[in-house]
Amino acid sequence: KNQVEQSPQSLIILEGKNCTLQCNYTVSPFSNLRWYKQDTGRGPVSLTIMTFSENTKSNGRYTATLDADTKQSSLHITASQLSDSASYICVVSDRGSTLGRLYFGRGTQLTVWP
Amino acid sequence: EADIYQTPRYLVIGTGKKITLECSQTMGHDKMYWYQQDPGMELHLIHYSYGVNSTEKGDLSSESTVSRIRTEHFPLTLESARPSHTSQYLCASSELGTSGIVGYEQYFGPGTRLTVT
Repeated sequence: KNQVEQSPQSLIILEGKNCTLQCNYTVSPFSNLRWYKQDTGRGPVSLTIMTFSENTKSNGRYTATLDADTKQSSLHITASQLSDSASYICVVSDRGSTLGRLYFGRGTQLTVWP
Repeated sequence: EADIYQTPRYLVIGTGKKITLECSQTMGHDKMYWYQQDPGMELHLIHYSYGVNSTEKGDLSSESTVSRIRTEHFPLTLESARPSHTSQYLCASSELGTSGIVGYEQYFGPGTRLTVT
């Protein structure tokens, strides 16, 4: 069964600190992996997208890694800011259909305290 | 900021009422999607469209219906709302990849929070 599991479910950190969010998936065949940021009451916004051949991608203070062999990804946030408080969702796409089906994790709820 | 809009943003309505959730995008994207999301849970695809006059049901069974008469417009309708329909509904759009294989970014609207009393 194709699944995307994220950990931790929630995380609280102090402003300025770094953190790492984890994503494990069983989706096959694999096409790409995306990390989205979803603010409360808003739609998800893309942070990074990585294909099979990419093992790291950065977007400002966000750095995503991908290990396609172990089917694991991480999202590292450096020097956290209050505005980083949001849900971070890992999404994996397969290439088994013309739809390019997306499998969503439940997200990690990050809270940054001053 | 993606050019995809949803109205209303919040809706509280009584059981049995007919409602239509609006979604419009100005990016000229062929593919559009509707997702349902409950608090703390993953997004579930309920409808999608490859283009005008194309609509398909997603993975999660839904009593809602959709239409795609214009490229930019993808409304979702509930003929008779029930409390079980209470949820957040997210609309998204993307380009249509070559050979029908989708690898392009999905852009999400801000969502409609629906409460049925």
